[in-house]
Amino acid sequence: DQQVKQNSPSLSVQEGRISILNCDYTNSMFDYFLWYKKYPAEGPTFLISISSIKDKNEDGRFTVFLNKSAKHLSLHIVPSQPGDSAVYFCAPQTGANNLFFGTGTRLTVIP
Amino acid sequence: DAGVIQSPRHEVTEMGQEVTLRCKPISGHNSLFWYRQTMMRGLELLIYFNNNVPIDDSGMPEDRFSAKMPNASFSTLKIQPSEPRDSAVYFCASSLTRGGNQPQHFGDGTRLSIL
Repeated sequence: DQQVKQNSPSLSVQEGRISILNCDYTNSMFDYFLWYKKYPAEGPTFLISISSIKDKNEDGRFTVFLNKSAKHLSLHIVPSQPGDSAVYFCAPQTGANNLFFGTGTRLTVIP
Repeated sequence: DAGVIQSPRHEVTEMGQEVTLRCKPISGHNSLFWYRQTMMRGLELLIYFNNNVPIDDSGMPEDRFSAKMPNASFSTLKIQPSEPRDSAVYFCASSLTRGGNQPQHFGDGTRLSIL
């Protein structure tokens, strides 16, 4: 039972342009929604999060949007940089601090 | 500032052998999580501890898997006996508190190969 889906396994973007990564979920009980970035041979690294009571959170080049009625969130990176190339995981969280990871989207930023 | 430390980074062993994976969480964190990553199932939670007590082990696949946290600075995940289908990357993570907007911090994982 996949509660979290990232339907795009990969995404390629030119340096300087916007990267948009999408995530859909089914469980309306999630309290927070986190994004993690993962480089090869390393563990996931926390990037940004949003509370279920908000619809937008911004941190520098990274902005996360939440549409609760559609059970959809997205991560915007602008401008994209080659160092952003990694696998990005959407990870909704319950009140018990349980994370449910999506399957990930591999972002490649082309110089 | 040391992050979550896992050892070994790589483990190759034969089927039937006992495997022990180790984790040192970030000092002061009181929640610890063990995950497994495979191509088929992605990242899945195996078990988590709060204040050294196992809270939810429903993700542990079989009785061959066991986890302990004897103190706040050390945890182990043991597989006995190991099988080829246990081959995966195992991650340990810790967080400051249970619940709320406290991100989990991950170690770099142990890549386990069972021949």
